[in-house]
Amino acid sequence: DAMVIQNPRYQVTQFGKPVTLSCSQTLNHNVMYWYQQKSSQAPKLLFHYYDKDFNNEADTPDNFQSRRPNTSFCFLDIRSPGLGDAAMYLCATSPQVMSNQPQHFGDGTRLSIL
Amino acid sequence: AQSVTQLGSHVSVSEGALVLLRCNYSSSVPPYLFWYVQYPNQGLQLLLKYTTGATLVKGINGFEAEFKKSETSFHLTKPSAHMSDAAEYFCAVSARTGANSKLTFGKGITLSVRP
Repeated sequence: DAMVIQNPRYQVTQFGKPVTLSCSQTLNHNVMYWYQQKSSQAPKLLFHYYDKDFNNEADTPDNFQSRRPNTSFCFLDIRSPGLGDAAMYLCATSPQVMSNQPQHFGDGTRLSIL
Repeated sequence: AQSVTQLGSHVSVSEGALVLLRCNYSSSVPPYLFWYVQYPNQGLQLLLKYTTGATLVKGINGFEAEFKKSETSFHLTKPSAHMSDAAEYFCAVSARTGANSKLTFGKGITLSVRP
């Protein structure tokens, strides 16, 4: 089945130690999104790629970066994780940047900060 | 700017009872409307969407929702709850105008199903 895959499912890192989360998709979708979801809250969009075009949300901290080396893969880099960055990180895709098309989500990576 | 209101954070029903999860939106132009479900430690899964056409939309797992423009609502219902329906439910909207698929989510509602 075509899907969105996030690795790892659980990630533990130390305060201030860089960490990278990965997302891959077999849907061949043009758009890839990264969301941060804290406990009992709605997902919060961090940024998205339309093909290679990067779109950052205005309130996304500079600590968060992203890379998309090809259509299938997208990475979320947290340069210096703080305790407040502990959350579930969700990757999603959609075929085009068209608002009537639903997004397809991976199962997420739960990040813990020691 | 658009927004989504999901009143209450928790709904509890008995197995076999009607499920009603409320969603109201605020937008100058009626947006596209979505319901997603999230099971523990999983991503979001699309239940159903309304973009155009018939205002009563049927989704997966026996859920349906009705778009009511006059009430700016898109409430989610299921006639008979099953234990497996216990999850977090998010209503979301995206702007109908402009080429931008950004979703605005409600705060979510946790559904519990009692045996």
